[in-house]
Amino acid sequence: EPEVTQTPSHQVTQMGQEVILRCVPISNHLYFYWYRQILGQKVEFLVSFYNNEISEKSEIFDDQFSVERPDGSNFTLKIRSTKLEDSAMYFCASTGQGAMNTEAFFGQGTRLTVV
Amino acid sequence: AQSVTQLGSHVSVSEGALVLLRCNYSSSVPPYLFWYVQYPNQGLQLLLKYTTGATLVKGINGFEAEFKKSETSFHLTKPSAHMSDAAEYFCAVTRAGANSKLTFGKGITLSVRP
Repeated sequence: EPEVTQTPSHQVTQMGQEVILRCVPISNHLYFYWYRQILGQKVEFLVSFYNNEISEKSEIFDDQFSVERPDGSNFTLKIRSTKLEDSAMYFCASTGQGAMNTEAFFGQGTRLTVV
Repeated sequence: AQSVTQLGSHVSVSEGALVLLRCNYSSSVPPYLFWYVQYPNQGLQLLLKYTTGATLVKGINGFEAEFKKSETSFHLTKPSAHMSDAAEYFCAVTRAGANSKLTFGKGITLSVRP
């Protein structure tokens, strides 16, 4: 069964450092998303990406965040200068094209800990 | 704008008992509705979804949910709880027909007592 894979599963970084979270979406999917879940809170939308550009982003997704799809398979989330409050589980998701492809497939997540 | 309300943060049932997890949504456009389950230290797995057609939808692991437009609800049920159902359950909404973002509720933790 196709799946979304995320690496690393857990990353610890010092405040102020840059981190890159990596995702390999399902191969024939065209829409890609990042969500985050702060411990004990709900899953929040960060950004959606289609046709090599951001299609929607939330208030959380400020100038410290960026996404790209550098090679047609990976989909990355970069946080330029991490803050303590960036500590969360980050989920990548992808969907296929068309109204029938409504299910978002989620990766296992990357737990980011900022110290 | 869309939103999801999941009242309460924790539900505890006995093994074999009915599971009922409530979800109400708000949407200014026709919604698609989803229930996801998250087991400890794992990602989100789709349980079931409502897009169009039959309002009673069946999912994996014996779960089902009914879309009630008049009540703006999409409650999740299972007739008989198993120990393995213990997890966190999230209701989510998106705009119908478009590959747009999911808006999640805050989730409900289900505990199953032996």
